[in-house]
Amino acid sequence: DADVTQTPRNRITKTGKRIMLECSQTKGHDRMYWYRQDPGLGLRLIYYSFDVKDINKGEISDGYSVSRQAQAKFSLSLESAIPNQTALYFCATSVSGHQETQYFGPGTRLLVL
Amino acid sequence: QKEVEQDPGPLSVPEGAIVSLNCTYSNSAFQYFMWYRQYSRKGPELLMYTYSSGNKEDGRFTAQVDKSSKYISLFIRDSQPSDSATYLCAMSLIQGAQKLVFGQGTRLTINP
Repeated sequence: DADVTQTPRNRITKTGKRIMLECSQTKGHDRMYWYRQDPGLGLRLIYYSFDVKDINKGEISDGYSVSRQAQAKFSLSLESAIPNQTALYFCATSVSGHQETQYFGPGTRLLVL
Repeated sequence: QKEVEQDPGPLSVPEGAIVSLNCTYSNSAFQYFMWYRQYSRKGPELLMYTYSSGNKEDGRFTAQVDKSSKYISLFIRDSQPSDSATYLCAMSLIQGAQKLVFGQGTRLTINP
């Protein structure tokens, strides 16, 4: 089984809808991240969490919110989806003190119509 | 100006060629330098990392950091079709939030 899983893998939604992307990990890592990937822009950090009680904004957090329900679970919500949030979304984990090594999930392809 | 700049390519070379992938950066405080490889429809995975300046070799791959020029490189020797992927550079500070800042990624194709 994969160490970092994301659900759903693909999602089509309409403008204005609220959606949630979920991430679970079995690696026992304390740190979790949400990124989005767009052609030509690389990976950009949306939110990150260093433990259950520590949530931080990344460089592009507007329009997104997160919840760290447990050490192993980190969810990303789009409160009111808009077309320019169409992207590939990745969850990642790492161990404190080893930020160079992040383990990525398989990604969620989101299309907002 | 982006903190980390990387030519997105695409780059296409014949099998067996030496490949050079590069990134430049503007924040002189970066100390950790990473290369991630991303196959199509997969998440990125760490390929190599180096701390501060110098070279690091791992099999056919060599990572090079020149902090004076704010320039990092990844060399692939004897390239194989299985090396076809997108390569992303990333870097971070030692202190503070220790977030990774990624380049745009270079799409590489090795032709048999």
